[in-house]
Amino acid sequence: EAGVAQSPRYKIIEKRQSVAFWCNPISGHATLYWYQQILGQGPKLLIQFQNNGVVDDSQLPKDRFSAERLKGVDSTLKIQPAKLEDSAVYLCASSPRTSGFLGEQYFGPGTRLTVT
Amino acid sequence: AQKITQTQPGMFVQEKEAVTLDCTYDTSDPSYGLFWYKQPSSGEMIFLIYQGSYDQQNATEGRYSLNFQKARKSANLVISASQLGDSAMYFCAMREVNTGGFKTIFGAGTRLFVKA
Repeated sequence: EAGVAQSPRYKIIEKRQSVAFWCNPISGHATLYWYQQILGQGPKLLIQFQNNGVVDDSQLPKDRFSAERLKGVDSTLKIQPAKLEDSAVYLCASSPRTSGFLGEQYFGPGTRLTVT
Repeated sequence: AQKITQTQPGMFVQEKEAVTLDCTYDTSDPSYGLFWYKQPSSGEMIFLIYQGSYDQQNATEGRYSLNFQKARKSANLVISASQLGDSAMYFCAMREVNTGGFKTIFGAGTRLFVKA
């Protein structure tokens, strides 16, 4: 079974530029998550999709971040314009469960973003 | 308010010895789930173990066990017979219900160093 795929693995941009990240979850997984992990911290949930609907985007900075999950499969996360504090690893995860507490998540390798 | 607290930024353990990584949590919900994830230097988050709030017995998965003390709101991870490959960041996480559904919150992590 293929894991969660993310691209690109690394990205360096200047502040005020735009960037997009892509995630392909494990086949059949209904729930998809985007996390931001700043160096030295634990992951922070940005947005959670269930199929192609948004379940939770309470911590997504909506003035600059956007995300979509077309057809309930792969997803893109965009930042426009980027700020220095957006430098982080962006992790995508998926889960086969849509509810319940045993919602173990399977993570992709992450995209390391550096904003200069 | 901090929901997940990992008070040990770094821990050292001798190879083949056991080590306990601390985690305390805060929630007013009676139903919740607790997880531990491992993050090696490669960056990918790996699910290790899960404990439900109503589970009567402590969870075990191979060399990993979760010391669940509900009254103290602690969910410590015990790794027995440490191996060099256990050197990594370890994150405690809690899954609880919010208005948008189920949400996972991570602690700041503990970096484990296994010495030969």
